[in-house]
This record gives sequence, C-alpha cells and structure tokens, in this order.
Amino acid sequence: DQQVKQNSPSLSVQEGRISILNCDYTNSMFDYFLWYKKYPAEGPTFLISISSIKDKNEDGRFTVFLNKSAKHLSLHIVPSQPGDSAVYFCAARNQAGTALIFGKGTTLSVSS
Amino acid sequence: GAGVSQSPSNKVTEKGKDVELRCDPISGHTALYWYRQSLGQGLEFLIYFQGNSAPDKSGLPSDRFSAERTGGSVSTLTIQRTQQEDSAVYLCASSPLPYNEQFFGPGTRLTVL
Repeated sequence: DQQVKQNSPSLSVQEGRISILNCDYTNSMFDYFLWYKKYPAEGPTFLISISSIKDKNEDGRFTVFLNKSAKHLSLHIVPSQPGDSAVYFCAARNQAGTALIFGKGTTLSVSS
Repeated sequence: GAGVSQSPSNKVTEKGKDVELRCDPISGHTALYWYRQSLGQGLEFLIYFQGNSAPDKSGLPSDRFSAERTGGSVSTLTIQRTQQEDSAVYLCASSPLPYNEQFFGPGTRLTVL
C-alpha cells in the first residue's frame, strides 16, 4: 500500500501560468515533507521542504502548502518556465528519519 | 564541489549473474542511502548507513541484496543471482546528517536479460 500518493501522472501548463502539483499521504505520523525534481538520466534534486509545524513554505517561485487535516500537500510554481519541465516527486521522511518515502511522481510539461 | 557519484552508469547482465554497484558519497556526509526506481514507480528505499551504526536494511527486497560501506565512505550494493525483476535504476544518496535533505547521484541503470 502506498503511503505517499501522487495521483496525477502528468500535468501540462503554459509558460507564465501557475503549476500545481498535488500529493496525498496516509500516515499521520509523518512530520517532514520534501519535493524533488528529476530530469532524465539524472538523480533527483532537492527543491523545497516543509515541516509539519508549518502550513506554508516559500522559496522564490516555489511554494509548498501542507494541509495536515486532509493529509495533503501541494507544490505551486509561479510563474512556470519551460525549464521547469521535469518529473516532480513528493516525499515524506519516515518516522525513524532513516529514509524518504516517495510518490510515483508527476511529469510536468511547460510549453512556451 | 563534487556531488554523489555512482558507477557504472549502465549495467547489462544476464539472469543469474551477480552485480556490484558503487557509490561515492559527498565527502564528509555521514549518512548514505540506496534507493531503486523501477519503471513507472517512485523511488523505493533499500538500505541506510549512518556512521558506525548498524545499517537499516529494512528495505532490501530479498536476501540476494546486500550492501557494504567501507571506512564510512564508499558503498557497494551487491545483487546476487540477478532476476529480471531486479531491472531498475539504482540511486544512491548522501546527507551531512541523518535528518537533512538527501543529495542524489545520477544512478546506475541495471538491465537483467
């Protein structure tokens, strides 16, 4: 059973518009969440994170929102750029802190 | 500075053969992780090393999988008697402390024929 779910395998957005990537989790004990971005033939690179004591974290064009009651988080990219086209993975840190539990990823395509 | 490196970048092997995958973490990072990504799936945790502590092997899918970390630095992941379902991209990551963000290498793409 998947503990971290990204239900949209793909998302297409026009340059300049907002991209919203969604993620749901099942374990209410998770306390730290991360978003990673992955280009083909490269390893994932860290994008932004959020602790469960916050409901929002912002870094430039990227904002992550956390709704603990709904066990839902989202990544907003504003404005979207063609270089943002990649696979985005949502991850939760396990309770022991020894591993990240990843969703299956969402492929974002930003067209110019 | 140098990031996490992995070798080989690609490995094609025949079913039943053993393979060794290597990971060089970022210098000074005490925590090291192995994950794998099968086609269409997210990253699946395999094993975690932290300093001289006993590794967390809870993610290893079978006893054909094992990993070592020598001298607190380089790690090798060994898969014995490979099966076709072992085909995946194997990713290594390191972090300066266990609870920090993880930095990933480019991965080794393993294909078992």
